[in-house]
Amino acid sequence: GQQLNQSPQSMFIQEGEDVSMNCTSSSIFNTWLWYKQDPGEGPVLLIALYKAGELTSNGRLTAQFGITRKDSFLNISASIPSDVGIYFCAGPLSNTGNQFYFGTGTSLTVIP
Amino acid sequence: NAGVTQTPKFQVLKTGQSMTLQCAQDMNHNSMYWYRQDPGMGLRLIYYSASEGTTDKGEVPNGYNVSRLNKREFSLRLESAAPSQTSVYFCASSLRLFYEQYFGPGTRLTVT
Repeated sequence: GQQLNQSPQSMFIQEGEDVSMNCTSSSIFNTWLWYKQDPGEGPVLLIALYKAGELTSNGRLTAQFGITRKDSFLNISASIPSDVGIYFCAGPLSNTGNQFYFGTGTSLTVIP
Repeated sequence: NAGVTQTPKFQVLKTGQSMTLQCAQDMNHNSMYWYRQDPGMGLRLIYYSASEGTTDKGEVPNGYNVSRLNKREFSLRLESAAPSQTSVYFCASSLRLFYEQYFGPGTRLTVT
């Protein structure tokens, strides 16, 4: 199956620090979506990106659609304890239009 | 608005038993999805319904069937459960196919 590789796999940071994570694929994606999942709950949509090069912010979160359309980046500024969770990238493959994939996830721990 | 609701929240089955997972959305979305999430992994698409009256296979459809009962409801059926189907199942919906998806709280299924 398609692999959306996320790095790093896990992060342990101090409260107040900035966070950067990315998502890469060997295939082209039309859309990049970033989700956060808390333990025992469903993923919650954070940011949606629809155009190559697009940079979109949602509060302290900023995400970018890579110009090659094979990658995307998520930054979190001034992290707080409630940022703890697993962050997933996701999107539909460009060439098929009928499959949707989630990344492998980045687990974030914020130390107060 | 409840968003996306799923029933049941938890279920234990014996190998060979059948069951249906129910999903409903009240956001007037056209598209609905079923995913499974195994421990430490991202979500994988089982089936989706682009619009009322249509269903299509996702990445991992074997062992499952779906029914788009009406615009609001999308059910997932396991005809003969197997231990490999032990997982957390999430339903999601979106206004347009593969655009911003909103998830339910999940059903935790164990097959013994």
